[in-house]
Amino acid sequence: GENVEQHPSTLSVQEGDSAVIKCTYSDSASNYFPWYKQELGKRPQLIIDIRSNVGEKKDQRIAVTLNKTAKHFSLHITETQPEDSAVYFCAVYTGTASKLTFGTGTRLQVTL
Amino acid sequence: NAGVTQTPKFQVLKTGQSMTLQCAQDMNHEYMSWYRQDPGMGLRLIHYSVGAGITDQGEVPNGYNVSRSTTEDFPLRLLSAAPSQTSVYFCASSPSMRNEQFFGPGTRLTVL
Repeated sequence: GENVEQHPSTLSVQEGDSAVIKCTYSDSASNYFPWYKQELGKRPQLIIDIRSNVGEKKDQRIAVTLNKTAKHFSLHITETQPEDSAVYFCAVYTGTASKLTFGTGTRLQVTL
Repeated sequence: NAGVTQTPKFQVLKTGQSMTLQCAQDMNHEYMSWYRQDPGMGLRLIHYSVGAGITDQGEVPNGYNVSRSTTEDFPLRLLSAAPSQTSVYFCASSPSMRNEQFFGPGTRLTVL
């Protein structure tokens, strides 16, 4: 099945700095790549997603880039704020398996 | 719209007991799924359904049963609870797997 690796597992940045989280996947047939944010004690919520026919997508301070050749995609958060502190999960959808596979998560801590 | 609802919020079981976790959605979504979340392991798919009467296994189905008799409801049954099933369980719904997954608030289950 699909193998999704997410790095780093924890990330600490100062307020105002940028944060980058990277995920790699194994199945070249994968074609949908969402990112979810989970605040402490809350449910995961979608923050941005990208499909395989697009290389980059941006929404205000959040962007996702996709490199299909290298089979990796990254979440970029600029001008980080304390409210960005949360656990972030990448996910990969593979049509051949009809399943959405999640990464193991990155705990982001934004310090003042 | 209530979105995705789950009951109960918390549950403590003894080894060998059975129970059903309830999940309902009012968005008329065809796709529903159950995940378990354990520290450091992300979200792992247990079972999913692409429509009423259709269910399939995910990554970690052993010890769990599901059924989908209506579009709205997707209960998860633990047949004989084991300590390894101690986890937080999330139900999710979406128009399809290649769209935003809407998660319920979760059920925290402890098996003693």
